[in-house]
Amino acid sequence: DTGVSQNPRHKITKRGQNVTFRCDPISEHNRLYWYRQTLGQGPEFLTYFQNEAQLEKSRLLSDRFSAERPKGSFSTLEIQRTEQGDSAMYLCASSSGGGSTDTQYFGPGTRLTVL
Amino acid sequence: AQKITQTQPGMFVQEKEAVTLDCTYDTSDPSYGLFWYKQPSSGEMIFLIYQGSYDQQNATEGRYSLNFQKARKSANLVISASQLGDSAMYFCAMRAWDSSYKLIFGSGTRLLVRP
Repeated sequence: DTGVSQNPRHKITKRGQNVTFRCDPISEHNRLYWYRQTLGQGPEFLTYFQNEAQLEKSRLLSDRFSAERPKGSFSTLEIQRTEQGDSAMYLCASSSGGGSTDTQYFGPGTRLTVL
Repeated sequence: AQKITQTQPGMFVQEKEAVTLDCTYDTSDPSYGLFWYKQPSSGEMIFLIYQGSYDQQNATEGRYSLNFQKARKSANLVISASQLGDSAMYFCAMRAWDSSYKLIFGSGTRLLVRP
């Protein structure tokens, strides 16, 4: 029983470069979420997928951010033309969509540093 | 709008003693869920315990219990018999079931367990 996995775990990039992160949810979880966490703060919601459909997006998700979940399994989050303000931990979570709690289980995160 | 407030940036507790981490919330939705997560220095968010707004009894999960006071809009986490491994950041989060799929997090409390 594997948990949520994210790759890479760390990414250092120069301002203006594009980066892409991958999230593999828990098997058979049909819901997938992306959050961003800056130092000293709680995670902030970015976007949500149910299967392959992107159903909710935060205003934090600017035009430079795009997320996909093409086959309803893994998801990618791409940031174009990175800025120093994009430096943060990017967390992925998944849930089964069933039961009374629909608990979200998180991956280890991808820490992005933009120089 | 929904909001989670954690007023304790940092807490100390002696090993084997109990500690209470405070969480207050604000929502106009009648149906919601409250979650507590633990985030060790490694970065992964670990689900601890859940309380539903209609649950009549306070949730318990091993050494974790949730002191839910609906009228006061508080959902404090109680950790009994603290262990050194409990040292971490603790986040309170909420989801309003009828309006969104996202979790709203507080700013967290850093707990340090002293030997």
